[in-house]
Amino acid sequence: GNSVTQMEGPVTLSEEAFLTINCTYTATGYPSLFWYVQYPGEGLQLLLKATKADDKGSNKGFEATYRKETTSFHLEKGSVQVSDSAVYFCALSDRGSSNTGKLIFGQGTTLQVKP
Amino acid sequence: EAGVAQSPRYKIIEKRQSVAFWCNPISGHATLYWYQQILGQGPKLLIQFQNNGVVDDSQLPKDRFSAERLKGVDSTLKIQPAKLEDSAVYLCASRNSSGSFGTDTQYFGPGTRLTVL
Repeated sequence: GNSVTQMEGPVTLSEEAFLTINCTYTATGYPSLFWYVQYPGEGLQLLLKATKADDKGSNKGFEATYRKETTSFHLEKGSVQVSDSAVYFCALSDRGSSNTGKLIFGQGTTLQVKP
Repeated sequence: EAGVAQSPRYKIIEKRQSVAFWCNPISGHATLYWYQQILGQGPKLLIQFQNNGVVDDSQLPKDRFSAERLKGVDSTLKIQPAKLEDSAVYLCASRNSSGSFGTDTQYFGPGTRLTVL
């Protein structure tokens, strides 16, 4: 079945450090890929998405590229801020025969940025 | 544009009691999802509605969980009787189904945190 695997957290970085959170997926068909962020006490927010191979999603300085050959969608940011501290979820939406649009999430990676 | 509304935000009950959660999706969004997020895990789909019809409830524990969306707008999720392992955050999400299912964005509510003692 479809699944998403993220790197284990927590990830602790100093402000202005480079961030990478790894995400790999297993899917039949051609999924769309998403990164959602959950700030403390808040709901899930879409951070970025990519709908086909080689697409790059970007938002708020974060980027992720849909790599079909390595089945990956790693999240990167060149310079993190304290305000980026949150839990990050990688997810896929299967556009196969079922086509329900449901999201399958990874387990989440907690990012803590220290001043 | 108002977001997805959920209530209550927090609920504490004892095992074997019943509980209900309410969700009001974004206006005009035909597709509504309920997810269960257990601490330390990603959300998992419980049930999906398209208007007032069920699209996918394969992961819903139907012996204790039920959900409805009678008029194709608001939805309620009920647990009866609750078990300790039902302690989780219950997330409601909605989506505008005008495009392909797999590309449109799902918008999430703040969730209801349920603690079963």
